[in-house]
Amino acid sequence: EPEVTQTPSHQVTQMGQEVILRCVPISNHLYFYWYRQILGQKVEFLVSFYNNEISEKSEIFDDQFSVERPDGSNFTLKIRSTKLEDSAMYFCASSEVIRYGTEAFFGQGTRLTVV
Amino acid sequence: GNSVTQMEGPVTLSEEAFLTINCTYTATGYPSLFWYVQYPGEGLQLLLKATKADDKGSNKGFEATYRKETTSFHLEKGSVQVSDSAVYFCALSLMNAGNMLTFGGGTRLMVKP
Repeated sequence: EPEVTQTPSHQVTQMGQEVILRCVPISNHLYFYWYRQILGQKVEFLVSFYNNEISEKSEIFDDQFSVERPDGSNFTLKIRSTKLEDSAMYFCASSEVIRYGTEAFFGQGTRLTVV
Repeated sequence: GNSVTQMEGPVTLSEEAFLTINCTYTATGYPSLFWYVQYPGEGLQLLLKATKADDKGSNKGFEATYRKETTSFHLEKGSVQVSDSAVYFCALSLMNAGNMLTFGGGTRLMVKP
């Protein structure tokens, strides 16, 4: 069964460093998303991406964040200068189309720890 | 704005007990409603969904009915198993918001043999 894969599963980084979280969405999907879950809190939407551009973003997704689809298969989230409060589980998701009730398929997540 | 509220956990049940996890929502439009499940060490998986009022989503013995009048989408299962132990997330999406999901806080279910 096709699945969304994320690497690495766990990343530890020092405050102020740049990190890139990687995702390989399901191959025929066109819409891509990043969500995050700070420990003990809700899963929160960060950004959606379609046709090589951001379609929606939340207020969390500030100038420190960027997304890219560098080739036909990868979808990346970059955090330019990490802060302690960026420590969270980051989930990538993809969906085939945007139709009423379309489900998103999620990866297993990358746990980012900023020290 | 849009929001989802679900009962706080953990919910601890014995095997074969009846499960209800409450979920209510507020939305600026007509949302689709979802339950996602996260088993230990895994990502979020869709459990079931409903896209219009009075629809019932069902999967693996779990059911939830879209109640527009009470803005609710409560998850139920008649007889839980130890393997159902997981975190359950209620969520909504709106097509005019790019189908981005708004999640509830999650409810941890622990089923004891």
